[in-house]
Amino acid sequence: QLVLTQSPSASASLGASVKLTCTLSSGHRNYDIAWHQQQPEKGPRYLMKVNSDGSHSKGDGIPDRFSGSSSGAERYLTISSLQSEDEADYYCQTWGIGIVVFGGGTKLTVL
Amino acid sequence: QVQLQESGPGLVKPSQTLSLTCTVSGGSTSSAGFYWSWIRQHPGKGLEWIGYIYYNGNTHYNPSLESRVTISIDTSKNQFSLKLSSVTAADTAMYYCARDFIGGGIDYWGQGTLVTVSS
Repeated sequence: QLVLTQSPSASASLGASVKLTCTLSSGHRNYDIAWHQQQPEKGPRYLMKVNSDGSHSKGDGIPDRFSGSSSGAERYLTISSLQSEDEADYYCQTWGIGIVVFGGGTKLTVL
Repeated sequence: QVQLQESGPGLVKPSQTLSLTCTVSGGSTSSAGFYWSWIRQHPGKGLEWIGYIYYNGNTHYNPSLESRVTISIDTSKNQFSLKLSSVTAADTAMYYCARDFIGGGIDYWGQGTLVTVSS
């Protein structure tokens, strides 16, 4: 079964960097994923696609502070030079034949 | 820039059918290479995929909702729609439409519309 696992919460200081993790279920480690940001009281916003080979491609207008990477079954979203507006929920998403799956989301707090 | 806008009643009575429409601008629902999706989010919870439709009318639904969901498309109006039948309070949620780039994930979202199921 295709499942994405995310830690429920993360925190980091203003100006620091943080790396969020999304883990693919067993047997699905070669899947690509997408990352989405949902700021408080707003709809989700597409950030980027992260491929199994570690490459990534970002959506329109996404700052260079946001980057993606991959290792084995894990897909990462790294945010550098954290700003207050980065405080948000971050969701990973993947897909198969006739199915779309979201991770449970990580709530990022900027201290 | 692709934009999606949900529309429909914000209040639906229990046992009735929830109906929403998504109007797309800056892109075409008749283009190959994209699925047109519905996703919902219960208050304070995560994202739940409902289903998607291709320009030719082919659909795929979340198995947990499949018996109650119908997604349709009108490429002449550049719109696609969601119907969810026999709703209960558990269907109260924010409903989002989105464009799903095949093999690339959802790349554009609507702003969402809140639907409350209550008598």
